Amino acid sequence: EAGVAQSPRYKIIEKRQSVAFWCNPISGHATLYWYQQILGQGPKLLIQFQNNGVVDDSQLPKDRFSAERLKGVDSTLKIQPAKLEDSAVYLCASSRDRGREQYFGPGTRLTVT
Amino acid sequence: GDSVTQMEGPVTLSEEAFLTINCTYTATGYPSLFWYVQYPGEGLQLLLKATKADDKGSNKGFEATYRKETTSFHLEKGSVQVSDSAVYFCALSMDSSYKLIFGSGTRLLVRP
Repeated sequence: EAGVAQSPRYKIIEKRQSVAFWCNPISGHATLYWYQQILGQGPKLLIQFQNNGVVDDSQLPKDRFSAERLKGVDSTLKIQPAKLEDSAVYLCASSRDRGREQYFGPGTRLTVT
Repeated sequence: GDSVTQMEGPVTLSEEAFLTINCTYTATGYPSLFWYVQYPGEGLQLLLKATKADDKGSNKGFEATYRKETTSFHLEKGSVQVSDSAVYFCALSMDSSYKLIFGSGTRLLVRP
């Protein structure tokens, strides 16, 4: 079974630019998560989808971050405009359903200069 | 709010040494507890879990026991190998939200 796919793996942008990350979860997984992992810290949940609906986006900085999961499969996370403090690894995870084991992708490392 | 605290690293051990990585949690209810491992260049992987008090999770020689009285979930291994070198994350999840709340991670380096 293929794992969670993410792209790109690395991205370097200047502050105030925009960037988008893509995630393809494991086939059949209803729940999709985006986490932000700042260097030296543990991952922090940004947003959780159940199929194509948002379950929890309480930690998402909505003035600059947005995410969507059209058709309940792939998901895109966007940052516009980026700030220096957005430099982090962005992890996507999926699970068969809420409360089930989460499987993580390799992450996208974002550097904002 | 709910949180996880784990010992700072790096932890450096010689091969076959005994490993303990401390983890304590704060939660308003009764969370499920997890240990995740991140090998260099790879994504997070679930190592073990426990869903209620006194449960012991185990996998690949690693063990952790859910201690409600001390709100702890310490990770142990009797004899570490070089291949165990990685970053280990303790995490909790509440049934009400299912989101994982992670500690800051502990890097383990095992020398031959």
